Amino acid sequence: DTAVSQTPKYLVTQMGNDKSIKCEQNLGHDTMYWYKQDSKKFLKIMFSYNNKELIINETVPNRFSPKSPDKAHLNLHINSLELGDSAVYFCASSLSDRLNTGELFFGEGSRLTVL
Amino acid sequence: QKEVEQNSGPLSVPEGAIASLNCTYSDRGSQSFFWYRQYSGKSPELIMFIYSNGDKEDGRFTAQLNKASQYVSLLIRDSQPSDSATYLCAVGDNFNKFYFGSGTKLNVKP
Repeated sequence: DTAVSQTPKYLVTQMGNDKSIKCEQNLGHDTMYWYKQDSKKFLKIMFSYNNKELIINETVPNRFSPKSPDKAHLNLHINSLELGDSAVYFCASSLSDRLNTGELFFGEGSRLTVL
Repeated sequence: QKEVEQNSGPLSVPEGAIASLNCTYSDRGSQSFFWYRQYSGKSPELIMFIYSNGDKEDGRFTAQLNKASQYVSLLIRDSQPSDSATYLCAVGDNFNKFYFGSGTKLNVKP
């Protein structure tokens, strides 16, 4: 059983399209995240949800909209895709009372390529 | 965005040697410090965390923290080819945000 699973793993699309990435965790965690890793390997936080409530919303274009239907799922919808959106998007989860241990569990990533 | 700086490498060491990976951070109020390992094409995985000044050892890995110098390092003793990966330094703040460096690529040569 995969602890944090993301779909799709690869996504190739044209500029201007809208796409979604889904994430599910079966670890019983209450906090989920979206991170973006660019070509230079910088891993930058985008959003975080705790029990379906948005708690971190970094400076991200409003073309990006996260949605958490329940604490085990966190989806990311991207409107009007741009070339600069090409990156690997990682979903991660943790327990809020163990955040000080840095135990983020990452999914395998979704590689988005915008042409 | 708070800064976490790492030398991108690659750092090449022979098998059996000690690999030393370094990281500096900009926010003096940072509370917690982490090292993640990321194999090519894979997701990051936590190796160690440290909160207090000094050293923390776990098997072949030792994390070192110097808050006055805003510096954290990771030593890998008896390096193995399987240690070849990118090592990401991460810093946590009071709001449970983690800021990652861009990573140092380590190559351990047999």
